[in-house]
Amino acid sequence: EAGVTQFPSHSVIEKGQTVTLRCDPISGHDNLYWYRRVMGKEIKFLLHFVKESKQDESGMPNNRFLAERTGGTYSTLKVQPAELEDSGVYFCASSQDGWFSGNTIYFGEGSWLTVV
Amino acid sequence: KQEVTQIPAALSVPEGENLVLNCSFTDSAIYNLQWFRQDPGKGLTSLLLIQSSQREQTSGRLNASLDKSSGRSTLYIAASQPGDSATYLCAVRPSTGFQKLVFGTGTRLLVSP
Repeated sequence: EAGVTQFPSHSVIEKGQTVTLRCDPISGHDNLYWYRRVMGKEIKFLLHFVKESKQDESGMPNNRFLAERTGGTYSTLKVQPAELEDSGVYFCASSQDGWFSGNTIYFGEGSWLTVV
Repeated sequence: KQEVTQIPAALSVPEGENLVLNCSFTDSAIYNLQWFRQDPGKGLTSLLLIQSSQREQTSGRLNASLDKSSGRSTLYIAASQPGDSATYLCAVRPSTGFQKLVFGTGTRLLVSP
């Protein structure tokens, strides 16, 4: 069974440019999450989808970040325009559970973004 | 606001040693706690998940304990091996806003042959 896959694995862009990160969750997982880790900091929650609906986007840093999940399948996270402080690792994760379950969350290998 | 702290930040041990990694959290209202492993340049691999009603979980040479009332968890690694070298992350799922994980900054472990 395929795990959570993310693309691109690495990206270097200039300040002001746009980058779109893609995540394919594990098949059958309704819950999809985005997290990120910036240099020297802990991993922080960005947002959570249940199927195609945004359940919680309280962690999104500002309106330069836009996440979508078309048809409840894959998700994209767009940063436009990118700033230097956006550099870091963006992790996507998925899980099968509902609110009452303690199922494990599965993480992808991350998209490493460098803004220069 | 839930905060998660991991001590030590880094640990270097010779192969064969038993070791303990510590995780503490400020708010005991959690749904569960999860330990992850991250290899350099890789994603997070779940090691153990402990529900709030549980005291410990075991998988192979790993044992994780949870004391929710005191806001502490430990990850015990028996007979460490060089392949155990990685960063170990602790994350709690709060009872409110329960779909978010709150992570610690991790413990970087190096096991030398």
